[in-house]
Amino acid sequence: KAGVTQTPRYLIKTRGQQVTLSCSPISGHRSVSWYQQTPGQGLQFLFEYFSETQRNKGNFPGRFSGRQFSNSRSEMNVSTLELGDSALYLCASSLGRLSTDTQYFGPGTRLTVL
Amino acid sequence: GESVGLHLPTLSVQEGDNSIINCAYSNSASDYFIWYKQESGKGPQFIIDIRSNMDKRQGQRVTVLLNKTVKHLSLQIAATQPGDSAVYFCAETGSNFGNEKLTFGTGTRLTIIP
Repeated sequence: KAGVTQTPRYLIKTRGQQVTLSCSPISGHRSVSWYQQTPGQGLQFLFEYFSETQRNKGNFPGRFSGRQFSNSRSEMNVSTLELGDSALYLCASSLGRLSTDTQYFGPGTRLTVL
Repeated sequence: GESVGLHLPTLSVQEGDNSIINCAYSNSASDYFIWYKQESGKGPQFIIDIRSNMDKRQGQRVTVLLNKTVKHLSLQIAATQPGDSAVYFCAETGSNFGNEKLTFGTGTRLTIIP
């Protein structure tokens, strides 16, 4: 069974631009979560989607948004990019929403904002 | 685990020796704990998990110990190999109403000395 895939793997943008990242979960997984990883703040939760609805949201500004499609694939969008948005963005999928449904991570998208 | 970014603790272990990586968590309501391994340029990889109603769980070469009294989690890796070199994160989750966000520890960098 294929793992979580994320595209693109690397992205370079300039301040003020917007970016869309894509995540395809493991087949059969219905929950998708997004995390931001930086050297300074570590791994931080962005949001979680299940059945095309955002179920949980972390403490990030409204410039960060996402959505989930009927096939469970998910996208996240960051508008008006800032230098501090440079990070590794990780997507994780799980079967459902039980706390014991293990989250499996993709390789991440490395975003650099210049 | 603490979710703030701090200096990453490091642990160097001779190849073939056992290693123990520790993690403290703060949320007494957490009921599910996971250890992830992250190699350079990759997303976190699931290693082993444990539920709060257990105090020990064993996998292949790995053992997780949970001490709920002092809110402490440890990962023991037996007979370490060069491929074990990575950053190891503990993560916790748990709620009464579904899959909560994962809260990650700061991570420990494990280096295996040949």
